[in-house]
Amino acid sequence: DIQMTQSPSSLSASVGDRVTITCRASQGINNGLAWFQQKPGKAPKSLIYGASTLQSGVPSKFSGSGSGTDFTLTISSLQPEDFATYYCQQHNTYPFTFGQGTRLEIK
Amino acid sequence: QVQLVESGGGVVQPGRSLRLSCAASGFIFTNHAMHWVRQAPGKGLEWVTVISHDGYTKLYSDSVKGRFTISRDTAKNTLYLQMDGLTIEDTAVYYCARDNSFHPWGQGTLVTVSS
Repeated sequence: DIQMTQSPSSLSASVGDRVTITCRASQGINNGLAWFQQKPGKAPKSLIYGASTLQSGVPSKFSGSGSGTDFTLTISSLQPEDFATYYCQQHNTYPFTFGQGTRLEIK
Repeated sequence: QVQLVESGGGVVQPGRSLRLSCAASGFIFTNHAMHWVRQAPGKGLEWVTVISHDGYTKLYSDSVKGRFTISRDTAKNTLYLQMDGLTIEDTAVYYCARDNSFHPWGQGTLVTVSS
């Protein structure tokens, strides 16, 4: 199975900051990488798929990049509603696998 | 609007069975592959299984292979997950999601395996 490693595991930031989360795959996955946001007690929400394609309805403050094994999620101008846990997932090869999550907290 | 609603969760003893449902609305169900993903309490997300749009292809994670069965009923626009031989490690919130873009997700249904 392909292992997905996110960094950092947790991150403290302030409203208005720009943050970047990294996801690394244990082998090449082309552009088969998705990002999800999850708030406590809620279902995950799709943000990005295909490494850089923004899901419909997701604000452009979220952006994704990368290909092969290294990927990033960037969130610009953090707002209070952006503080959540973020997961990457490879959707190139079954079984699909998720990263361990990055908890984004308010500083 | 596009909506997925899971049901069927509950408390069950180890070794017993449970069937989850995911009712789909707002889109053409037969055009889309469907997934189940689970999340153990306080843990991350784990992909469980997928069924193709036509129901012919089904894939499973090693952790549930041979115990869980995914299916779909096109007349009812409903996805199912039959879970047999449940163990304590299957305790989780189970979500259904549409397509390989996993959009949208249902609200989840909690399965607790406990004696």
